[in-house]
Amino acid sequence: QKEVEQNSGPLSVPEGAIASLNCTYSDRVSQSFFWYRQYSGKSPELIMSIYSNGDKEDGRFTAQLNKASQYVSLLIRDSQPSDSATYLCAVNPPVYRGGGADGLTFGKGTHLIIQP
Amino acid sequence: EPEVTQTPSHQVTQMGQEVILRCVPISNHLYFYWYRQILGQKVEFLVSFYNNEISEKSEIFDDQFSVERPDGSNFTLKIRSTKLEDSAMYFCASRYGVWTFHEQYFGPGTRLTVT
Repeated sequence: QKEVEQNSGPLSVPEGAIASLNCTYSDRVSQSFFWYRQYSGKSPELIMSIYSNGDKEDGRFTAQLNKASQYVSLLIRDSQPSDSATYLCAVNPPVYRGGGADGLTFGKGTHLIIQP
Repeated sequence: EPEVTQTPSHQVTQMGQEVILRCVPISNHLYFYWYRQILGQKVEFLVSFYNNEISEKSEIFDDQFSVERPDGSNFTLKIRSTKLEDSAMYFCASRYGVWTFHEQYFGPGTRLTVT
Protein backbone atom coordinates (compact mmCIF):
# COMPACT_ATOMS: atom_id res chain seq x y z
CA GLN A 1 0.00 0.00 0.00
CA LYS A 2 1.56 3.24 -1.14
CA GLU A 3 1.30 5.98 1.48
CA VAL A 4 2.22 9.63 1.46
CA GLU A 5 2.15 11.37 4.82
CA GLN A 6 1.90 15.07 5.54
CA ASN A 7 1.16 17.06 8.65
CA SER A 8 -2.33 18.46 8.05
CA GLY A 9 -1.63 21.70 9.94
CA PRO A 10 -2.67 24.41 9.94
CA LEU A 11 0.84 25.78 9.67
CA SER A 12 0.83 29.46 10.45
CA VAL A 13 3.76 31.58 9.19
CA PRO A 14 4.24 35.37 9.33
CA GLU A 15 4.36 37.24 6.06
CA GLY A 16 7.91 37.47 4.73
CA ALA A 17 9.13 34.40 6.64
CA ILE A 18 10.09 30.99 5.28
CA ALA A 19 7.37 28.32 5.24
CA SER A 20 8.62 24.74 5.48
CA LEU A 21 6.38 21.87 4.41
CA ASN A 22 7.28 18.21 4.81
CA CYS A 23 6.24 14.92 3.32
CA THR A 24 7.27 11.29 3.75
CA TYR A 25 6.47 8.39 1.46
CA SER A 26 6.41 4.65 1.96
CA ASP A 27 7.28 3.20 -1.47
CA ARG A 28 11.07 3.13 -1.50
CA VAL A 29 11.31 2.86 -5.30
CA SER A 30 9.24 6.00 -5.93
CA GLN A 31 10.86 8.04 -8.64
CA SER A 32 8.98 11.29 -9.13
CA PHE A 33 7.82 13.78 -6.54
CA PHE A 34 5.54 16.73 -6.94
CA TRP A 35 4.18 19.62 -4.94
CA TYR A 36 0.76 20.91 -5.84
CA ARG A 37 -0.99 23.95 -4.39
CA GLN A 38 -4.74 23.76 -3.91
CA TYR A 39 -6.91 26.72 -3.01
CA SER A 40 -10.23 25.91 -1.38
CA GLY A 41 -12.71 24.58 -3.94
CA LYS A 42 -10.14 24.61 -6.74
CA SER A 43 -8.05 22.01 -8.51
CA PRO A 44 -4.44 21.10 -7.70
CA GLU A 45 -1.94 23.38 -9.39
CA LEU A 46 1.57 22.03 -10.02
CA ILE A 47 4.25 24.22 -8.48
CA MET A 48 7.33 22.01 -8.24
CA SER A 49 8.63 18.64 -9.39
CA ILE A 50 11.80 16.91 -8.22
CA TYR A 51 13.39 13.63 -9.27
CA SER A 52 16.95 13.62 -7.91
CA ASN A 53 18.33 13.86 -4.41
CA GLY A 54 19.16 17.39 -3.33
CA ASP A 55 17.58 20.78 -3.83
CA LYS A 56 15.71 22.29 -6.74
CA GLU A 57 14.94 25.98 -6.75
CA ASP A 58 12.30 27.87 -8.74
CA GLY A 59 11.76 31.47 -7.74
CA ARG A 60 10.64 31.60 -4.12
CA PHE A 61 10.16 27.83 -3.99
CA THR A 62 12.76 25.19 -3.17
CA ALA A 63 11.99 21.48 -3.22
CA GLN A 64 14.28 19.10 -1.34
CA LEU A 65 14.46 15.35 -1.83
CA ASN A 66 16.17 12.74 0.31
CA LYS A 67 15.45 9.28 -1.09
CA ALA A 68 17.40 7.49 1.63
CA SER A 69 15.10 9.01 4.24
CA GLN A 70 12.04 8.87 1.92
CA TYR A 71 11.49 12.52 2.61
CA VAL A 72 10.44 15.46 0.44
CA SER A 73 10.10 19.05 1.54
CA LEU A 74 9.04 22.39 0.11
CA LEU A 75 10.38 25.73 1.28
CA ILE A 76 8.59 28.94 0.42
CA ARG A 77 10.73 32.04 0.93
CA ASP A 78 9.34 35.51 1.50
CA SER A 79 5.88 34.07 2.18
CA GLN A 80 2.96 36.13 0.90
CA PRO A 81 -0.71 36.05 1.98
CA SER A 82 -1.50 34.67 -1.51
CA ASP A 83 0.56 31.59 -0.60
CA SER A 84 -2.14 30.64 1.90
CA ALA A 85 -3.49 27.35 0.55
CA THR A 86 -3.27 23.61 1.03
CA TYR A 87 -0.03 22.10 -0.28
CA LEU A 88 -0.27 18.56 -1.60
CA CYS A 89 2.68 16.22 -1.87
CA ALA A 90 2.31 13.63 -4.64
CA VAL A 91 4.44 10.66 -5.61
CA ASN A 92 4.77 8.50 -8.74
CA PRO A 93 6.42 5.09 -9.02
CA PRO A 94 9.24 4.56 -11.53
CA VAL A 95 8.56 4.08 -15.23
CA TYR A 96 9.49 0.38 -15.14
CA ARG A 97 6.64 -0.09 -12.67
CA GLY A 98 4.16 1.80 -14.77
CA GLY A 99 5.12 5.16 -13.41
CA GLY A 100 3.99 6.91 -16.50
CA ALA A 101 0.59 5.32 -16.48
CA ASP A 102 0.04 4.99 -12.77
CA GLY A 103 -1.79 7.73 -11.07
CA LEU A 104 -0.21 9.94 -8.49
CA THR A 105 -0.51 9.05 -4.83
CA PHE A 106 -1.33 12.17 -2.87
CA GLY A 107 -0.93 13.07 0.76
CA LYS A 108 -3.78 14.73 2.61
CA GLY A 109 -2.07 18.09 2.31
CA THR A 110 -0.79 20.74 4.70
CA HIS A 111 -2.95 23.79 5.22
CA LEU A 112 -0.67 26.83 5.19
CA ILE A 113 -1.76 30.20 6.55
CA ILE A 114 0.40 33.27 5.93
CA GLN A 115 -0.36 35.92 8.52
CA PRO A 116 -0.12 39.52 7.25
CA GLU B 1 -0.84 28.47 -22.20
CA PRO B 2 -2.70 25.22 -22.96
CA GLU B 3 -4.89 23.88 -20.20
CA VAL B 4 -7.18 21.00 -19.36
CA THR B 5 -10.86 21.91 -19.46
CA GLN B 6 -13.80 20.13 -17.85
CA THR B 7 -17.57 20.35 -18.19
CA PRO B 8 -19.86 20.81 -16.45
CA SER B 9 -18.41 22.67 -13.49
CA HIS B 10 -21.23 21.43 -11.28
CA GLN B 11 -23.56 18.48 -11.83
CA VAL B 12 -26.47 17.60 -9.58
CA THR B 13 -28.07 14.21 -10.07
CA GLN B 14 -30.38 11.85 -8.29
CA MET B 15 -29.20 8.58 -6.84
CA GLY B 16 -29.31 5.81 -9.42
CA GLN B 17 -28.95 8.11 -12.41
CA GLU B 18 -26.13 7.94 -14.93
CA VAL B 19 -23.74 10.86 -15.29
CA ILE B 20 -21.06 11.65 -17.83
CA LEU B 21 -18.27 14.00 -16.92
CA ARG B 22 -16.32 15.50 -19.79
CA CYS B 23 -12.73 16.60 -20.15
CA VAL B 24 -10.63 18.04 -22.93
CA PRO B 25 -6.98 17.24 -22.18
CA ILE B 26 -4.08 19.36 -23.40
CA SER B 27 -3.89 18.73 -27.11
CA ASN B 28 -0.47 17.03 -27.48
CA HIS B 29 -0.74 15.01 -24.29
CA LEU B 30 -0.92 11.25 -24.51
CA TYR B 31 -1.86 10.08 -21.01
CA PHE B 32 -5.16 10.94 -19.36
CA TYR B 33 -6.31 10.48 -15.81
CA TRP B 34 -9.35 10.83 -13.59
CA TYR B 35 -9.09 11.59 -9.90
CA ARG B 36 -11.70 12.34 -7.28
CA GLN B 37 -11.64 14.28 -4.05
CA ILE B 38 -14.38 13.81 -1.50
CA LEU B 39 -14.91 16.98 0.56
CA GLY B 40 -12.21 17.31 3.19
CA GLN B 41 -10.30 14.26 1.99
CA LYS B 42 -7.27 13.64 -0.18
CA VAL B 43 -7.14 13.46 -3.94
CA GLU B 44 -7.54 9.84 -5.04
CA PHE B 45 -6.51 8.24 -8.32
CA LEU B 46 -9.30 6.51 -10.26
CA VAL B 47 -7.96 5.53 -13.67
CA SER B 48 -5.35 6.24 -16.31
CA PHE B 49 -5.85 5.93 -20.06
CA TYR B 50 -3.37 5.64 -22.91
CA ASN B 51 -3.65 4.64 -26.54
CA ASN B 52 -7.41 4.21 -26.26
CA GLU B 53 -7.35 1.79 -23.39
CA ILE B 54 -7.17 1.78 -19.62
CA SER B 55 -3.57 1.57 -18.39
CA GLU B 56 -4.20 1.39 -14.68
CA LYS B 57 -7.17 1.63 -12.35
CA SER B 58 -7.58 1.85 -8.61
CA GLU B 59 -9.84 -0.26 -6.46
CA ILE B 60 -12.29 2.65 -6.42
CA PHE B 61 -12.81 2.29 -10.17
CA ASP B 62 -15.33 -0.57 -10.10
CA ASP B 63 -17.86 -1.72 -12.70
CA GLN B 64 -19.98 1.38 -12.12
CA PHE B 65 -17.29 3.50 -13.75
CA SER B 66 -16.15 3.61 -17.34
CA VAL B 67 -13.96 5.89 -19.42
CA GLU B 68 -13.92 6.66 -23.09
CA ARG B 69 -12.16 8.84 -25.61
CA PRO B 70 -15.00 9.17 -28.13
CA ASP B 71 -13.08 11.49 -30.47
CA GLY B 72 -9.69 13.11 -30.79
CA SER B 73 -10.24 15.67 -28.09
CA ASN B 74 -12.72 14.54 -25.42
CA PHE B 75 -12.12 12.17 -22.54
CA THR B 76 -15.16 11.12 -20.52
CA LEU B 77 -15.91 9.46 -17.20
CA LYS B 78 -19.26 7.72 -16.89
CA ILE B 79 -20.82 6.65 -13.63
CA ARG B 80 -23.63 4.23 -14.44
CA SER B 81 -25.79 4.34 -11.35
CA THR B 82 -24.73 7.06 -8.97
CA LYS B 83 -24.65 6.58 -5.22
CA LEU B 84 -24.65 9.20 -2.48
CA GLU B 85 -21.00 8.40 -1.79
CA ASP B 86 -20.07 9.36 -5.35
CA SER B 87 -20.55 13.00 -4.38
CA ALA B 88 -17.11 14.55 -4.83
CA MET B 89 -14.95 16.78 -7.00
CA TYR B 90 -13.78 14.91 -10.08
CA PHE B 91 -10.57 16.08 -11.68
CA CYS B 92 -9.26 15.19 -15.09
CA ALA B 93 -5.51 15.41 -15.67
CA SER B 94 -3.24 14.90 -18.64
CA ARG B 95 0.43 14.26 -19.21
CA TYR B 96 2.56 14.50 -22.32
CA GLY B 97 4.54 11.28 -22.02
CA VAL B 98 5.59 8.48 -19.78
CA TRP B 99 8.97 9.69 -18.66
CA THR B 100 9.73 11.08 -15.28
CA PHE B 101 9.80 14.72 -16.22
CA HIS B 102 6.36 14.79 -17.77
CA GLU B 103 4.16 16.24 -15.10
CA GLN B 104 0.41 15.86 -14.80
CA TYR B 105 -1.74 18.96 -15.24
CA PHE B 106 -5.18 19.12 -13.72
CA GLY B 107 -8.41 20.58 -15.02
CA PRO B 108 -10.66 22.78 -12.87
CA GLY B 109 -12.86 19.89 -11.82
CA THR B 110 -16.52 18.94 -11.85
CA ARG B 111 -18.38 19.03 -8.57
CA LEU B 112 -20.79 16.09 -8.55
CA THR B 113 -23.63 16.21 -6.07
CA VAL B 114 -25.78 13.08 -5.74
CA THR B 115 -29.07 13.60 -3.91
